[in-house]
Amino acid sequence: KAGVTQTPRYLIKTRGQQVTLSCSPISGHRSVSWYQQTPGQGLQFLFEYFSETQRNKGNFPGRFSGRQFSNSRSEMNVSTLELGDSALYLCASSLGDSAPGELFFGEGSRLTVL
Amino acid sequence: QQQVKQSPQSLIVQKGGISIINCAYENTAFDYFPWYQQFPGKGPALLIAIRPDVSEKKEGRFTISFNKSAKQFSLHIMDSQPGDSATYFCAASIRGNNDMRFGAGTRLTVKP
Repeated sequence: KAGVTQTPRYLIKTRGQQVTLSCSPISGHRSVSWYQQTPGQGLQFLFEYFSETQRNKGNFPGRFSGRQFSNSRSEMNVSTLELGDSALYLCASSLGDSAPGELFFGEGSRLTVL
Repeated sequence: QQQVKQSPQSLIVQKGGISIINCAYENTAFDYFPWYQQFPGKGPALLIAIRPDVSEKKEGRFTISFNKSAKQFSLHIMDSQPGDSATYFCAASIRGNNDMRFGAGTRLTVKP
């Protein structure tokens, strides 16, 4: 079974630009969560999507948004990039309510904002 | 906003020794406590998890001890191996909620 796939793996943007990151969950997983990982703040929850609906949202500004498609694939978008948005963005998939909390992470998309 | 406090920040253990990492939480609504292992360049991988209805769970060389009254839980790695060298994160969540609150991480180094 293929794991969680995130693209792109690395990207460099400049302040003010926007970025879209993609995540393909494990086959059969309906829940996709996004996390931001930085050396200073650690792992922080961004949002969770289940069956194309945002089910939960962390404490991030509205510049961070996401969506989920009918095939469970998910994208997250960050607009008007700031230097502090430089981070590893991790996507995690799970079965959802049948296995709550059991997250399977991808390798992440490393974003550098210059 | 940190709701899970993890210690130590870093840990060096000799091969064959026991590695112990501790976590404390604040929110009594948490009822799922996983540990994740992360190697450089990789995403975190679920190692072992416990729910508060048991005080201990063992899987191979990895054991979680849970103390509900003290709101603490710990990871014990028996017979630590160099291949265990990684960063370990404890976490907590409320059942059915993938809004996982992570500890700050412990960088474990197992010396041969």
